[in-house]
Amino acid sequence: DIVMTQSPLSLSVTPGQAASISCKSSQSLLQSDGRTYLYWHLQKAGQPPQLLIYEASNRFSGVPDRFSGSGSGTDFTLKISRVEAEDVGVYYCVQSIQIPFTFGPGTKVDIK
Amino acid sequence: EVQLVESGGDLVQPGGSLRLSCAASGFTFSSYWMDWVRQAPGKGLQWVSRIKTDGSYTSYADSVKGRFTISRDNAKNTVYLQMNSLRVEDTAVYYCVRVWDYWGQGTLVTVFS
Repeated sequence: DIVMTQSPLSLSVTPGQAASISCKSSQSLLQSDGRTYLYWHLQKAGQPPQLLIYEASNRFSGVPDRFSGSGSGTDFTLKISRVEAEDVGVYYCVQSIQIPFTFGPGTKVDIK
Repeated sequence: EVQLVESGGDLVQPGGSLRLSCAASGFTFSSYWMDWVRQAPGKGLQWVSRIKTDGSYTSYADSVKGRFTISRDNAKNTVYLQMNSLRVEDTAVYYCVRVWDYWGQGTLVTVFS
C-alpha cells in the first residue's frame, strides 16, 4: 500500500499569516497519462470533508484563491496565503493512483 | 446542485448486517464512479470501496473484502453498500463520495457487543 505522511500534524496560525502543509507519498503519484493523483480535502468540525485541490495543483470550483497546491512525484504542499478563521479544521491529502486509496493522517489547523 | 444523501446507518451487534444507501441528485449519476469512505470516531479517513459507472468494476479495502459489497442502481440514482459479518472495528461514519469531488453528510454505523 502507498503510505501517505503529512507534516506538521497540527498547526496554529495567526489570521492573515501564511500556512503550509506537506504531504509525502511512499510511491510516485504521477500516472502514465500525465496526471498526478493527489487530492487535498478539508474537514471542518462536524462536517464531511470538502475538496480543495485536485490532481495536486488544481483548485476546485468555489475554493478561494488563497489556497494553492503544488508538488510532483512524491512530495506535495498545500499553502494558504492568508489564513482566515473559516479555514480551521483538519486537512487531508489522499492518493488515488493505486488501490487501496490511502489518506494522510490529517493536519489540524487552528487559529491563535 | 450536487447532493448525496446517505441512509441506513444503525446500531447492530457483531456478526450482523446492514445495507447503506446513497441517493444522488443534481448530476448525471450514471457518468460517475462512486466511493464509500469511512471515519471511525475521532479518527482519520479510510477508503472502503469503489464502483465504476455501470457497476462492471468494483474494488475493496482488504479490511472489508469478502464482507462488504458495493452496488448501484443507475435507474434510481443510488449506490449501496451491503455490510455483512460486521465487526466492532467497522464502527464509523460512512460517507458516499462522488470520485473525488463531492461528499455526502455521512451515516453512522455502530457495531456493539
